[in-house]
Amino acid sequence: SQTIHQWPATLVQPVGSPLSLECTVEGTSNPNLYWYRQAAGRGLQLLFYSVGIGQISSEVPQNLSASRPQDRQFILSSKKLLLSDSGFYLCAWGAGGGRYFGPGTRLTVL
Amino acid sequence: DQQVKQNSPSLSVQEGRISILNCDYTNSMFDYFLWYKKYPAEGPTFLISISSIKDKNEDGRFTVFLNKSAKHLSLHIVPSQPGDSAVYFCAASVGTGNQFYFGTGTSLTVIP
Repeated sequence: SQTIHQWPATLVQPVGSPLSLECTVEGTSNPNLYWYRQAAGRGLQLLFYSVGIGQISSEVPQNLSASRPQDRQFILSSKKLLLSDSGFYLCAWGAGGGRYFGPGTRLTVL
Repeated sequence: DQQVKQNSPSLSVQEGRISILNCDYTNSMFDYFLWYKKYPAEGPTFLISISSIKDKNEDGRFTVFLNKSAKHLSLHIVPSQPGDSAVYFCAASVGTGNQFYFGTGTSLTVIP
């Protein structure tokens, strides 16, 4: 069965510091991978998706970037965090009409 | 612009009664809809889906109803159980492509 891992579970970072969130998937090959963010009072917003190694599509202009160095690894990064980057970040893999989410990372930028 | 809206941030229901969670959408091109359930500190898990060719889909205690003319979706849980207490998100997409639009969620509390 497929498993999706995300770490860390929680993170508190100062404004202006860098960010790296990692997501790995087990039990599936060449998955579509997604990064979502839920900000306070908002729905889950799609940030990036990837259909293969090195292929990244960005859905919204922002302070973040994503990379997919390996088939089952998806990384969310920032060079300098903003206060508005605070939120709950979810990695997901997709098959057909489904999205299967990881446990999420709660990021607080102070 | 929120294309999928869940106007009730919270709902409390007595155990054994029916829970009805509502969702409205604005994009008439949406033809695939899903409900997710989320416990604290966990990612959402898929609950049930419906495509626009149907107006009802049932899975055990969970039934999703779709009213395309009203652009309205609802999830019925009967009978409600304390373990159903969670945040429920609805989502919509055009086909099963990469962009799913999620609502803001409704927090359901089932009172024993």
